[in-house]
Amino acid sequence: GAGVSQTPSNKVTEKGKYVELRCDPISGHTALYWYRQSLGQGPEFLIYFQGTGAADDSGLPNDRFFAVRPEGSVSTLKIQRTERGDSAVYLCASSLTGSTGNTEAFFGQGTRLTVV
Amino acid sequence: GENVEQHPSTLSVQEGDSAVIKCTYSDSASNYFPWYKQELGKGPQLIIDIRSNVGEKKDQRIAVTLNKTAKHFSLHITETQPEDSAVYFCAASPSDDYKLSFGAGTTVTVRA
Repeated sequence: GAGVSQTPSNKVTEKGKYVELRCDPISGHTALYWYRQSLGQGPEFLIYFQGTGAADDSGLPNDRFFAVRPEGSVSTLKIQRTERGDSAVYLCASSLTGSTGNTEAFFGQGTRLTVV
Repeated sequence: GENVEQHPSTLSVQEGDSAVIKCTYSDSASNYFPWYKQELGKGPQLIIDIRSNVGEKKDQRIAVTLNKTAKHFSLHITETQPEDSAVYFCAASPSDDYKLSFGAGTTVTVRA
C-alpha cells in the first residue's frame, strides 16, 4: 500500500524478553518518527531519523530502547528486557522532508505491545 | 520542553451542533499547531493545521484559531455528523519538524 506500514499490529511478550517493532515508511520519505501512545494519552515522541541517522533521540526513555534505520527506509525499534510499563501502542510516522513548512507527516496504524 | 494541555477530555454533542476543543501550550517558540483525528485501532490523521503567522484557518466544517499572545489554540467543528465521532489531539512543534508535543486528547461523541 501507499501508507506507513507497521508490523506486527499486535505483540504480546513476557517481561524480560526482547522485542523488535518494524516500520515501513512511505517510499521516498526521508524523515521517520517513532512515538509511544499509552492508553488514554496522546502520543509521546521517542526518536526522529533524517535518512539513516538519528537526528534527535531525546525521547527514548532509557537505554533499553534503541532504534535503527540502516538504509534510510525501513526502521526497527528495539526494546530489551521489556517491562510491564512498556505496554503501549508504538506509532511510526514519515514525511517527505521532515519540515512542517512544506510536508505532512503520515502515521501508521501502530503496533500494540503488551508485556505480561 | 513543550507542554500542551487539552480540554475537555470528553465531549458529547447532538448531531448538527458545534464542537469546540481548546489547547494551551507553554513554549513561545512553538510555531506549528496541527490537529489530528484518531479512530479506534488507527493512527492519528491530520485534519487541519495552523502556523504562527496565521490567526485563523478554515476548511469546510473545520476551523482552527490561534492566539499567540495567550498561547492557546482551538478547533471548531460545525454541523457535526456521526462520522465526526473520534478522539481528537492537538499538538505543537517549536522546531520546524514533526517532533510534536501532543495534548491528552478529546473523545468526541456525536449523538444522532
